[in-house]
Amino acid sequence: DAGVTQSPTHLIKTRGQQVTLRCSPKSGHDTVSWYQQALGQGPQFIFQYYEEEERQRGNFPDRFSGHQFPNYSSELNVNALLLGDSALYLCASSLGLGGGTEAFFGQGTRLTVV
Amino acid sequence: GENVEQHPSTLSVQEGDSAVIKCTYSDSASNYFPWYKQELGKGPQLIIDIRSNVGEKKDQRIAVTLNKTAKHFSLHITETQPEDSAVYFCAPRGSNDYKLSFGAGTTVTVRA
Repeated sequence: DAGVTQSPTHLIKTRGQQVTLRCSPKSGHDTVSWYQQALGQGPQFIFQYYEEEERQRGNFPDRFSGHQFPNYSSELNVNALLLGDSALYLCASSLGLGGGTEAFFGQGTRLTVV
Repeated sequence: GENVEQHPSTLSVQEGDSAVIKCTYSDSASNYFPWYKQELGKGPQLIIDIRSNVGEKKDQRIAVTLNKTAKHFSLHITETQPEDSAVYFCAPRGSNDYKLSFGAGTTVTVRA
């Protein structure tokens, strides 16, 4: 049973460019959340998708957008990249909305903006 | 929003000793309290969790205790081993919230 998978594992982009990160949830899960983890810090919530809709959003600018597909996989898009967007981007999957469901994380995508 | 604090930020223990990490949170409506372990170059791994109707939960060498009145919960690791060396995060979730609110993390080093 495959866990949460993310691609690519590493990415280098130039300031001002756009990037798309991808996530496939754990088998049986239908909810995907995205987090940003800066070096030496805890993950920060970006947004969560359920039934192809954004259900909750953290304190991130509109440059960060996402999408969920009918097969529950998800993409995170970041436009007009800034140096400060360099971080580990984590995808977590869970079952259903609401509190109390276990969230499982992928290995992350390491984004470096130069 | 939820304010989460973890203490200590770093912890060094001798192999075989116990380790305890405390997490305090601000949202009294929080009802789900997980702990994650993150090894270098990997994503966080759920190691144990507890819900608000339970005071303590144990799984082999790890345990979590919850004090809802004082708004804190703790991770206990007994008989520590070198493979327990990692960064540990608490991540409480509120009852009306979909997100996990992570602490800043505790770096645990187990000395052989």
